[in-house]
Amino acid sequence: DVKVTQSSRYLVKRTGEKVFLECVQDMDHENMFWYRQDPGLGLRLIYFSYDVKMKEKGDIPEGYSVSREKKERFSLILESASTNQTSMYLCASSLSGNLDTQYFGPGTRLTVL
Amino acid sequence: QKEVEQNSGPLSVPEGAIASLNCTYSDRGSQSFFWYRQYSGKSPELIMSIYSNGDKEDGRFTAQLNKASQYVSLLIRDSQPSDSATYLCAVNLNTGGFKTIFGAGTRLFVKA
Repeated sequence: DVKVTQSSRYLVKRTGEKVFLECVQDMDHENMFWYRQDPGLGLRLIYFSYDVKMKEKGDIPEGYSVSREKKERFSLILESASTNQTSMYLCASSLSGNLDTQYFGPGTRLTVL
Repeated sequence: QKEVEQNSGPLSVPEGAIASLNCTYSDRGSQSFFWYRQYSGKSPELIMSIYSNGDKEDGRFTAQLNKASQYVSLLIRDSQPSDSATYLCAVNLNTGGFKTIFGAGTRLFVKA
């Protein structure tokens, strides 16, 4: 079974703090993704990576950056957290091609005060 | 215009009935289509994937794809209360990259 894990289930941070969200997958997947999910807006892609050290912007990259130093690990960084970044953050991975299914981690619910 | 549209619901069906969930998409070149189920407070999990026109059946679930009309649907036969969840339609766009667009989801309630 594919396993995607995220570093925290719940996180509370203050405005202006730097926040790291980590995601690890154990199935040697090429592609990894970060989404945020908000009520009524569905899943929105923040960034994705199709190879180590490679990254592509998604639909809403502003205020976020990512790092992929190893194939199995994809980190999302909020350089200076703001209250409008309060959300559920979901990491996903897929094998390689565009047809492949994405497998999701359990999610991190981030609250920025 | 949203790229992937779903009726937000809630859709309520009695136990044992057929639940029909629909999704339309705007990118005519899209190649792959997915249905995910998401229970409250949990992450999405894949139910079905479909890549070619027609029907694809897996147990109580049938996915239907019509590329000419740009819609994909999910039928759940013999609906159970445990099927109550939000169902997300996802479409991989034909951008040359790996871009998946998710619909906002349809909430399904199956009444016992």
